[in-house]
Amino acid sequence: DTGVSQDPRHKITKRGQNVTFRCDPISEHNRLYWYRQTLGQGPEFLTYFQNEAQLEKSRLLSDRFSAERPKGSFSTLEIQRTEQGDSAMYLCASSLQGGSSYNEQFFGPGTRLTVL
Amino acid sequence: QQQVKQSPQSLIVQKGGISIINCAYENTAFDYFPWYQQFPGKGPALLIAIRPDVSEKKEGRFTISFNKSAKQFSLHIMDSQPGDSATYFCAAVWRGNSGYSTLTFGKGTMLLVSP
Repeated sequence: DTGVSQDPRHKITKRGQNVTFRCDPISEHNRLYWYRQTLGQGPEFLTYFQNEAQLEKSRLLSDRFSAERPKGSFSTLEIQRTEQGDSAMYLCASSLQGGSSYNEQFFGPGTRLTVL
Repeated sequence: QQQVKQSPQSLIVQKGGISIINCAYENTAFDYFPWYQQFPGKGPALLIAIRPDVSEKKEGRFTISFNKSAKQFSLHIMDSQPGDSATYFCAAVWRGNSGYSTLTFGKGTMLLVSP
């Protein structure tokens, strides 16, 4: 399977714990995005990488959240001191940079986080 | 602030019927309007998309109608099938200063096609 993969698929944690999610984009894609999706809502943009550089962060990304993309390949999203309000599906997407046209973002299956 | 409003929240259609989902936007900087389909346990997948200089786009049973002056667009699914049962999201794209595309999603419509 050459699509976007995410690990783990499900994570249950206790409030106050730290969690880390991993995203492996489609291999030739240099752009990577993180979104959060809560029940009954569409995905909401969190942050964006072009290669290893984090170029945009949403105001939804509080200081407890940090994302990295070392070497411009896989990315990790860490949430420190989790809160119940962090419970959501965390989606990763990747796309290929190029031209002036819209480059489709391909989404992974997501990591569902439940904070107890 | 919800920049893309989607309705209805849920929809039940009989097999063979037409499913219609509507969206409206406010930001005139949006320059691309995709629709995504999401099955349970999966990430959203691009279904069909349209540029604002086109009033209609058809791909198979799926058609987007776009009204630029009203800032509205809709998805029509003809001859709806049980396999179409999924959540559908409209979205609007704005390309930021760095050239990447920001996707702003509607809240989604849960479609159920009854056999």
